[in-house]
Amino acid sequence: DQQVKQNSPSLSVQEGRISILNCDYTNSMFDYFLWYKKYPAEGPTFLISISSIKDKNEDGRFTVFLNKSAKHLSLHIVPSQPGDSAVYFCAASADDKIIFGKGTRLHILP
Amino acid sequence: KAGVTQTPRYLIKTRGQQVTLSCSPISGHRSVSWYQQTPGQGLQFLFEYFSETQRNKGNFPGRFSGRQFSNSRSEMNVSTLELGDSALYLCASSWSGGAYEQYFGPGTRLTVT
Repeated sequence: DQQVKQNSPSLSVQEGRISILNCDYTNSMFDYFLWYKKYPAEGPTFLISISSIKDKNEDGRFTVFLNKSAKHLSLHIVPSQPGDSAVYFCAASADDKIIFGKGTRLHILP
Repeated sequence: KAGVTQTPRYLIKTRGQQVTLSCSPISGHRSVSWYQQTPGQGLQFLFEYFSETQRNKGNFPGRFSGRQFSNSRSEMNVSTLELGDSALYLCASSWSGGAYEQYFGPGTRLTVT
């Protein structure tokens, strides 16, 4: 039973445009959500997080939106840059347990 | 500040053998979590140690075990290796544990033949 789902295995976006990565979850007890970015041969690096009491958190080019009623969150990257090409993992946490999605590979096209 | 280090980076073992992987967290971090990454399953949580105690455990068989030392360094052991154990094993550390801003190491790539 997948509690955190990233339904798009890959996404291609033109450089300079907006990248939108989506994540759905099933457990309403999740109270904290995170996005991680992973390059090949490296461990994931923390990008941005959001608490369930908020619906938006912004950090530079990265914005995470949370829609609790739809159990959906999204990561917006504006503008997309070549260095953003990586695998992005969505993660959700409850009671100090964290569940990761399977990841979405983002390709930024020149 | 030095990052999370994992040794070895690459390992090849045969079925039935056992393996021990090591993780050194960022200085001052007391929580260490272990994850298995495979192409089909993404990142799957193995277990978390905090102050030498296992605090959380994922849904993995008992062949997977771990421990944490007083200096917060952690080891993960897999006994009776199976082909399906081939994966990237990632260690992450954080100051307080749980989900908050974990810092990942580069991983150990284990291949079981």
